[in-house]
Amino acid sequence: EDQVTQSPEALRLQEGESSSLNCSYTVSGLRGLFWYRQDPGKGPEFLFTLYSAGEEKEKERLKATLTKKESFLHITAPKPEDSATYLCAVQEATQGGSEKLVFGKGMKLTVNP
Amino acid sequence: DAGVIQSPRHEVTEMGQEVTLRCKPISGHDYLFWYRQTMMRGLELLIYFNNNVPIDDSGMPEDRFSAKMPNASFSTLKIQPSEPRDSAVYFCASSFQGQGTDTQYFGPGTRLTVL
Repeated sequence: EDQVTQSPEALRLQEGESSSLNCSYTVSGLRGLFWYRQDPGKGPEFLFTLYSAGEEKEKERLKATLTKKESFLHITAPKPEDSATYLCAVQEATQGGSEKLVFGKGMKLTVNP
Repeated sequence: DAGVIQSPRHEVTEMGQEVTLRCKPISGHDYLFWYRQTMMRGLELLIYFNNNVPIDDSGMPEDRFSAKMPNASFSTLKIQPSEPRDSAVYFCASSFQGQGTDTQYFGPGTRLTVL
């Protein structure tokens, strides 16, 4: 069973059309939830880390929120340059303090002008 | 800072050949991670090091894969012998466990094609 599930797998928006991406996770204890952006042919680029339910973080047109079971990445009035694959990853709280990240399969966002 | 550096950026080899991927982490970072990304399985952790010591290699697919970190500024991932199913993009990432942050910063990746 996947620990991290992202939906939808792909999303097409018109420029200015706001939407949300979902990341649901199943870990016994969450140490951190990470959002990354990945452009074609490049490595993932860090966006946000969320640590506890109720936490929110913002960066330009992006806002990430966290509950006990899922995280949302809200995109407000997107622009074509927001087109990318968005990856969600969880870091589980373990006795030894593992640094391991488990990634979802990503969500490909296309914003048309 | 130059960020995480990986080489080569592209590698094409034939089945059975040895492949060595290289990574230079961000200076001062004490954790180094090797990931593999495929369309089918997404981004998967292979192994990670802390202060040059391997901590978790449970993601290494089989004995054909090995990783080393001889010093704080260099790591290799070796596949011997390579197989077509090893074709993927391999990423190296590094992080600094301090000041309450554990963000992993990724390199540009090495695209490996095994014919």
